Amino acid sequence: RKEVEQDPGPFNVPEGATVAFNCTYSNSASQSFFWYRQDCRKEPKLLMSVYSSGNEDGRFTAQLNRASQYISLLIRDSKLSDSATYLCVVNKAAGNKLTFGGGTRVLVKP
Amino acid sequence: GAVVSQHPSWVICKSGTSVKIECRSLDFQATTMFWYRQFPKQSLMLMATSNEGSKATYEQGVEKDKFLINHASLTLSTLTVTSAHPEDSSFYICSILPLASGTIYNEQFFGPGTRLTVL
Repeated sequence: RKEVEQDPGPFNVPEGATVAFNCTYSNSASQSFFWYRQDCRKEPKLLMSVYSSGNEDGRFTAQLNRASQYISLLIRDSKLSDSATYLCVVNKAAGNKLTFGGGTRVLVKP
Repeated sequence: GAVVSQHPSWVICKSGTSVKIECRSLDFQATTMFWYRQFPKQSLMLMATSNEGSKATYEQGVEKDKFLINHASLTLSTLTVTSAHPEDSSFYICSILPLASGTIYNEQFFGPGTRLTVL
């Protein structure tokens, strides 16, 4: 079983719609969680950290469920520029090593 | 502006040659840098942790003699792919953990990546 698993998609989303997807992680000792965005042939860029209480940044909302070991990302009012691969990233306690999920591809269409 | 730079951004080389990739931290000092690679349609995989002034620590399955890492200063780490073969063709990305990052919640900053193609 992969340490961090994501639905690869693609999620085809009409412009203006809402899309949500999850990521599961296997290590219950994982300490911190992030969503990164990666555009084609580019480096990943931090979208948001994910906190236990859930957090929102504009149109993006992230949730963490430690009991079920998953995190989620919801994008409201999708824009064409939201088309990208969204990477779920988990940081285990030791050494600040990040483990990346395989990514969920989102395609926002007019 | 960019926090981390990588050079070169892309390189094409013949099989058997060695390729050096530089990762520079532009805005921060970093005792710790990370090297990842990403094959097409796959996610980033951590290769090794580069520690300033000491030996790098490699992830399981990564050959330390093939992927030489040197972290000679607080702003520069280099990855040398020795005797490159076509299967080493990949997107190599570094990241830095800024100095004085006291907790595991601090953000890593990624370089723009180096695309290596071995013919």
